[in-house]
Amino acid sequence: GNSVTQMEGPVTLSEEAFLTINCTYTATGYPSLFWYVQYPGEGLQLLLKATKADDKGSNKGFEATYRKETTSFHLEKGSVQVSDSAVYFCASRTGDTGRRALTFGSGTRLQVQP
Amino acid sequence: KAGVTQTPRYLIKTRGQQVTLSCSPISGHRSVSWYQQTPGQGLQFLFEYFSETQRNKGNFPGRFSGRQFSNSRSEMNVSTLELGDSALYLCATASGGPNTEAFFGQGTRLTVV
Repeated sequence: GNSVTQMEGPVTLSEEAFLTINCTYTATGYPSLFWYVQYPGEGLQLLLKATKADDKGSNKGFEATYRKETTSFHLEKGSVQVSDSAVYFCASRTGDTGRRALTFGSGTRLQVQP
Repeated sequence: KAGVTQTPRYLIKTRGQQVTLSCSPISGHRSVSWYQQTPGQGLQFLFEYFSETQRNKGNFPGRFSGRQFSNSRSEMNVSTLELGDSALYLCATASGGPNTEAFFGQGTRLTVV
């Protein structure tokens, strides 16, 4: 079956530090990959996505590249801000009609200190 | 464009009762999925509805059920509530194509006492 593994948190960084949150996946077929962010008391917001190998998703300074050879989709940001403090979820989804549910990682809490 | 609306936002129920949660999708979205989020199990898929038909189902007991109406609004029902059903229930909607992104509502926080 499909699974997504994320690095354990919390990740604590100072403002303007470089961020990497690791994500690897296992899936049958070729899934689409997503990063979602959840702020306290809120639902999930899509941060970025990639639908095929070597695609790079980017949004708000965050980037992630779909690496088929390493089955990875690591999230990066060059300079984090306090406002980036949230929980980040990596997710995969296959295109098969019968298996279109999102499979989520366990989430990584990011805390950015001023 | 209005987002995904879930009602109610918060709910407290007693063990053994049943509960119904509602999700109104973004206009034009025909796919509605439900997820349960708990600190211990993380985000787990419950079921997906598309054009009033259940298209996918996760690994949850039969106490969890759902339906979708002709206007794409969806409800999920949990009968005979257990303490372990306390969770944030999230609804996600999409237009339905294979690579379309899912948009989440703010969730319904259910507490079972």
